[in-house]
Amino acid sequence: DAKTTQPNSMESNEEEPVHLPCNHSTISGTDYIHWYRQLPSQGPEYVIHGLTSNVNNRMASLAIAEDRKSSTLILHRATLRDAAVYYCILDRPGTYKYIFGTGTRLKVLA
Amino acid sequence: GAGVSQSPSNKVTEKGKDVELRCDPISGHTALYWYRQSLGQGLEFLIYFQGNSAPDKSGLPSDRFSAERTGGSVSTLTIQRTQQEDSAVYLCASSFRQGARTEAFFGQGTRLTVV
Repeated sequence: DAKTTQPNSMESNEEEPVHLPCNHSTISGTDYIHWYRQLPSQGPEYVIHGLTSNVNNRMASLAIAEDRKSSTLILHRATLRDAAVYYCILDRPGTYKYIFGTGTRLKVLA
Repeated sequence: GAGVSQSPSNKVTEKGKDVELRCDPISGHTALYWYRQSLGQGLEFLIYFQGNSAPDKSGLPSDRFSAERTGGSVSTLTIQRTQQEDSAVYLCASSFRQGARTEAFFGQGTRLTVV
């Protein structure tokens, strides 16, 4: 199973941008990069995903390195509601199971 | 509602008893996943159902754990002879599997406490 590595925790001030890194050095050419987040006492929720090109949606942006061995989730203006554990996951076609690591716990300071 | 529904939301059981956890996926979703999350830990994959294919049971921790999905919809996770180490939040997710675009929708989970 393809693995990802993320920092255990990060802090950000409210209304500032946050860059959450993820390393996935064993990524294969067909693996998609997915990000989920888990708010306290809730199930994970989808944030964004991509393959090679950078992606933007209403929640966040995903920047993917040219060699695809790392990616960064960007929250443009952190709010208190963004405090959560963020998971970076590789989706390998044909395997179907997401392997969640321990994720990055984001703390947002008012 | 339109989301993934799990029941019960909380379950306290005595060691040695059997429990059943239920998951109602989003209508039309072909894929269904079960995960387990122990306190302060990440999600541990348990089992995956996709349409009529044989389920991927590779994550089930022991033969005390089993799951079925009836009619391609509702799923039940059964834990027999529960142990204290089974205490965790059990999360169900469903997705409409289309190539590699597998945005999964998670339920709120069932918090299982074995005393």
